[in-house]
Amino acid sequence: DAEITQSPRHKITETGRQVTLACHQTWNHNNMFWYRQDLGHGLRLIHYSYGVQDTNKGEVSDGYSVSRSNTEDLPLTLESAASSQTSVYFCASSEGGTVGDTQYFGPGTRLTVL
Amino acid sequence: QKEVEQDPGPLSVPEGAIVSLNCTYSNSAFQYFMWYRQYSRKGPELLMYTYSSGNKEDGRFTAQVDKSSKYISLFIRDSQPSDSATYLCAFLGGYNKLIFGAGTRLAVHP
Repeated sequence: DAEITQSPRHKITETGRQVTLACHQTWNHNNMFWYRQDLGHGLRLIHYSYGVQDTNKGEVSDGYSVSRSNTEDLPLTLESAASSQTSVYFCASSEGGTVGDTQYFGPGTRLTVL
Repeated sequence: QKEVEQDPGPLSVPEGAIVSLNCTYSNSAFQYFMWYRQYSRKGPELLMYTYSSGNKEDGRFTAQVDKSSKYISLFIRDSQPSDSATYLCAFLGGYNKLIFGAGTRLAVHP
């Protein structure tokens, strides 16, 4: 079955370290998204991509970067982790080409920055 | 003012109760309205989707949209313990981006 996976599921790191969270989908979806979820804020969009080599900043992109070298993967990099980036991170994908097409979410990565 | 307002709860109800979950929004350009359900330590999953004012029913779930009041609701009839989850309203913004409410945590106790 097609799916969307994230790794690692849990990560503890130290302030200032570079961290990369992986997202992989097997649906061949064009669109991929990264969100963070914090209490009281719901899900907030970090970066998104509408296809290979396309990346765009979302609402809370400072301190994060993404690159899209193939259809299946959109890794999220924290250049220099900060305690404010402690959060749960969700990757999502959608087929693309249709307004409002359904986004499918991965299981999440719980990141703690000490 | 936040673009989307959603009471975080928690909401605790007995099994069999009718549950009403609500969101208000400020952007009149929103045309697509969604409800996602998120179980503990899982990713959100789409529950209901509508793009017009009025009601849409799917089994025990009814989504209601009032564009004139910028208000959407999700009703759950005959609630079950398996409905215990966080419910997030979502709105389609520009460029197919979703804007989420903070989520309402629901607990249905036997």
